[in-house]
Amino acid sequence: QQQVKQSPQSLIVQKGGISIINCAYENTAFDYFPWYQQFPGKGPALLIAIRPDVSEKKEGRFTISFNKSAKQFSLHIMDSQPGDSATYFCAAFRNSGGSNYKLTFGKGTLLTVNP
Amino acid sequence: NAGVTQTPKFRVLKTGQSMTLLCAQDMNHEYMYWYRQDPGMGLRLIHYSVGEGTTAKGEVPDGYNVSRLKKQNFLLGLESAAPSQTSVYFCASSRPRAGENTGELFFGEGSRLTVL
Repeated sequence: QQQVKQSPQSLIVQKGGISIINCAYENTAFDYFPWYQQFPGKGPALLIAIRPDVSEKKEGRFTISFNKSAKQFSLHIMDSQPGDSATYFCAAFRNSGGSNYKLTFGKGTLLTVNP
Repeated sequence: NAGVTQTPKFRVLKTGQSMTLLCAQDMNHEYMYWYRQDPGMGLRLIHYSVGEGTTAKGEVPDGYNVSRLKKQNFLLGLESAAPSQTSVYFCASSRPRAGENTGELFFGEGSRLTVL
């Protein structure tokens, strides 16, 4: 059972355009939603994260929009640059309060920004 | 400032051979993880550890074993490698924030394993 569904699988955007990646989750107990960015040959790295008590979080050109009622969240990359070309993973986590800690990742989106 | 270091970076095995992947972190993190990454499958958790001497199964644990004898090290073992274990393996570590179980995951650069 895939608990976090990510789309699209791949995305091609022109330089200066807006890149949008969507994720949907099933477990309403999830309470932390990070996005990770991975460049070829490297490990993923935290890009931006949001909690469900806010509807939007912006850091520079990157914005997370969160819709709690629809159980969806999305990453928007404004003024996309060739250097943004990478694989992006959404993830979700439930703070159970115990020692059982693990993120559930989406399957990833390969973003290509053409110059 | 090493962060999370994985060794080896590349390895080719024959079916049935065994090997161990080593992960070392110098950030004094409590939690450590092993993921595998396959095309179209994203990151899947193999095993994880919430402290020295403790390990737990993740999403895809079959065919793998782990040990956390020291806080800074997390070993992933393949006792009898199979072609289905051809993958890129990532180790990660994190420290939960006070009062929570969440925390940023810091990943290593990966170990590419091919099983022939």
